[in-house]
Amino acid sequence: DSGVTQTPKHLITATGQRVTLRCSPRSGDLSVYWYQQSLDQGLQFLIQYYNGEERAKGNILERFSAQQFPDLHSELNLSSLELGDSALYFCASSDRDGIYNEQFFGPGTRLTVL
Amino acid sequence: SQQGEEDPQALSIQEGENATMNCSYKTSINNLQWYRQNSGRGLVHLILIRSNEREKHSGRLRVTLDTSKKSSSLLITASRAADTASYFCATDGRSSNTGKLIFGQGTTLQVKP
Repeated sequence: DSGVTQTPKHLITATGQRVTLRCSPRSGDLSVYWYQQSLDQGLQFLIQYYNGEERAKGNILERFSAQQFPDLHSELNLSSLELGDSALYFCASSDRDGIYNEQFFGPGTRLTVL
Repeated sequence: SQQGEEDPQALSIQEGENATMNCSYKTSINNLQWYRQNSGRGLVHLILIRSNEREKHSGRLRVTLDTSKKSSSLLITASRAADTASYFCATDGRSSNTGKLIFGQGTTLQVKP
């Protein structure tokens, strides 16, 4: 158990809908990262927050947004869902920002868009 | 696009044998990390090697880094059935200076008992 929790574990929804994925980092970790894992794209970095501020952005679609709250939990919002958004979404955390950081991954949320 | 490419894509060995996986990357890095993922589950950090290091050990794991060739290898010695998983290398990209990681496509390792 990494200490990172993600809810829900599974999510099935329809195209055009909006969903929110939630992540609670390990106690004391200030950085939260979101990754998407799909068969065709592999593991893709989406976005990083550090202590409430956006720190780095990757291949995140404009339909997707995220935020980190004062209690350090984070939410990833996916809207106008398409079939291609079906994937495993992972949250990871680390105790600080910058390089040389080991990241601790949550168990993931499996999103299925029908 | 992926920073790293891993080779082989799949590897099947017998318990007790050694497993070697290779990773190549495209841009300069500050560090390279290896992660393990059991089927459909979260990734587990194995080892981090900095760009100024050439080799690092952790238990049965040995990682090498050759920055001139932009490549790294992960060796698992005396493999066990429990080592069956996918293994990913991840790099930061020297220009990043953040914790952002760029993952390779991974090597799927099967260790037969």
